[in-house]
This record gives sequence, structure tokens and C-alpha cells, in this order.
Amino acid sequence: ELKVEQNPLFLSMQEGKNYTIYCNYSTTSDRLYWYRQDPGKSLESLFVLLSNGAVKQEGRLMASLDTKARLSTLHITAAVHDLSATYFCAVEHSGTYKYIFGTGTRLKVLA
Amino acid sequence: GAVVSQHPSRVICKSGTSVKIECRSLDFQATTMFWYRQFPKQSLMLMATSNEGSKATYEQGVEKDKFLINHASLTLSTLTVTSAHPEDSSFYICSGRGRANTEAFFGQGTRLTVV
Repeated sequence: ELKVEQNPLFLSMQEGKNYTIYCNYSTTSDRLYWYRQDPGKSLESLFVLLSNGAVKQEGRLMASLDTKARLSTLHITAAVHDLSATYFCAVEHSGTYKYIFGTGTRLKVLA
Repeated sequence: GAVVSQHPSRVICKSGTSVKIECRSLDFQATTMFWYRQFPKQSLMLMATSNEGSKATYEQGVEKDKFLINHASLTLSTLTVTSAHPEDSSFYICSGRGRANTEAFFGQGTRLTVV
């Protein structure tokens, strides 16, 4: 059974600081996705990581994937208040193509 | 990315009644649709997977007779919550994908409140 864990579950950080969110998964997969969710809203796609070593950056966010370690990271650089949201990683199950979501990280950036 | 439209965005229904949620792929043909449920401050839990023209495959613990899924066309899937109870109150999100190995796209979600 594919399990996906994120840490930390909660993150409160000051504006301007850097931090990393980790996503670990339990079985082999080559596809991983990062999403942002604002309260009461659906998911906003942030990154699609499709191969080992993939690195993508958009603004203050950078995501990477290490399929051998079964680990993805979402790095936040110089956080701003607008980044406050819940971030989810989702791993695509090889064979069934289902997305299994991580536990989520609730990020609060303090002004 | 492609667009998946989900309606209604919010619905309130009385306990014991049924409610239908629609999920449409607007600019692609969704051969597979996924339905998720999300309780407050929790992650998304996959309820079922449906392929166009086939019966849905339900995840363990999800009552198939309570959550009826229809995927009769390549652009429309519906989830009907039958005999709804307050514990069914949740945020329901659909996603659709075209061919295998392509990204799935998510609908806007439906907030269901059963009173």
C-alpha cells in the first residue's frame, strides 16, 4: 500500500525566512505533484515532477524529486505572507495511476 | 492546464435526502475520473475511480451503495450521495485525466452540508 507522509504538519515562519517541506512515500513512483490549497478552495497545481532528479522553480518555491530516496522537497525562499496556505504532495501510484495525497503542511507566514 | 468544472460549489440538504454532484471536463476527454472527500483540516482521501463506460472502483471502506458514481460519457461524471446523513458533510473534489500517464486536473470542489 502506498503511503505518503509530509512533515512538518504545521509550519509558522517569519517573512523573509527560508524553509523546506518534506514528502516521503513508501513505494516506487516516478511521478509526484505539489498543490496549494487555500481555505475553502480546491487545489491549485504548483509543480509536476516526472523523473528522478527533477527540479522545478516558480517564484519563491522550488520543488525537487529523488525517486531513489522516495523523497520530494518543497523549498520556500524568503517567505511572504501570501504564501500562507496548506501544501500537499501527491504521489501517483504506478499501475493504477491513482494520486495518493500526503498529510498536508499548513503554512502560516507571519508578517 | 485543462479545466474540470464541478457543480454545485455548495449544497445544503436535509438528512435522508440524496444529492448529486457533477464533474465535467471542459476541454479534454476524461477517460478516468477520481472522486475525493476531504474533512476539515485533513488531507484528501480517494473514494473511488471511474473509467468511462465502466463501473467505478471503490476504495476500501467506501460504501458503493451510498456513493453512486456514474461516468457515462468522456466529459461527465456524477457522484450521488444517497440518504445523506450529517456525517457525510464534507468537501468533495473530483479530478479527471485523459490518457494514462497524463496529469489529472481538479474541479473546484463541492461543500456538502447535511442538516
